[in-house]
Amino acid sequence: DAKTTQPPSMDCAEGRAANLPCNHSTISGNEYVYWYRQIHSQGPQYIIHGLKNNETNEMASLIITEDRKSSTLILPHATLRDTAVYYCIVRVAAGRRALTFGSGTRLQVQP
Amino acid sequence: GAVVSQHPSRVICKSGTSVKIECRSLDFQATTMFWYRQFPKQSLMLMATSNEGSKATYEQGVEKDKFLINHASLTLSTLTVTSAHPEDSSFYICSARDTRTEVEGYTFGSGTRLTVV
Repeated sequence: DAKTTQPPSMDCAEGRAANLPCNHSTISGNEYVYWYRQIHSQGPQYIIHGLKNNETNEMASLIITEDRKSSTLILPHATLRDTAVYYCIVRVAAGRRALTFGSGTRLQVQP
Repeated sequence: GAVVSQHPSRVICKSGTSVKIECRSLDFQATTMFWYRQFPKQSLMLMATSNEGSKATYEQGVEKDKFLINHASLTLSTLTVTSAHPEDSSFYICSARDTRTEVEGYTFGSGTRLTVV
């Protein structure tokens, strides 16, 4: 799996967009970008994933650069409940191996 | 969507005793489940991969005789922490992959907070 780099922490004002960056410069052509988050004392929660194109679902948007070496997770209107650690994971889609978690970005949404 | 149920959510036990944690896939079959451990302010660390009907695969540094894993059915994996010590106090999380979906599919339990006193 390609290595990812994320800032250790970020702050965001409630109601504003939270933009969480992730660098994955060694990503391979068949590797997807996954985002999970972990709210304190809970198991990780799937947010979104993408290969090349930008993706949007009810939780967030994922913007992947054209060279695929970096991506940004966007929470359009952050709430206090979005305070969590956000993990960017790059890996192939299929396979039976576990997800490998880096240190992630601790997002603190401020009232 | 896929749901993984993990019990108990928190447990306190005395040193030297054993604790069993259950992980169930509620609406799908999971031939493979994963067990993680998370210490305070750290990321999730994979402990072992649990395979239905066969032996678990442990990560380097994880004692297989201390952390017993049983995956006897397609919907249930258990982790037993044997002869628990205070240093085993941690947050244990299980995960299962719903192979009905090709790209998505990793679902996590809500975790078990183990405190050994």
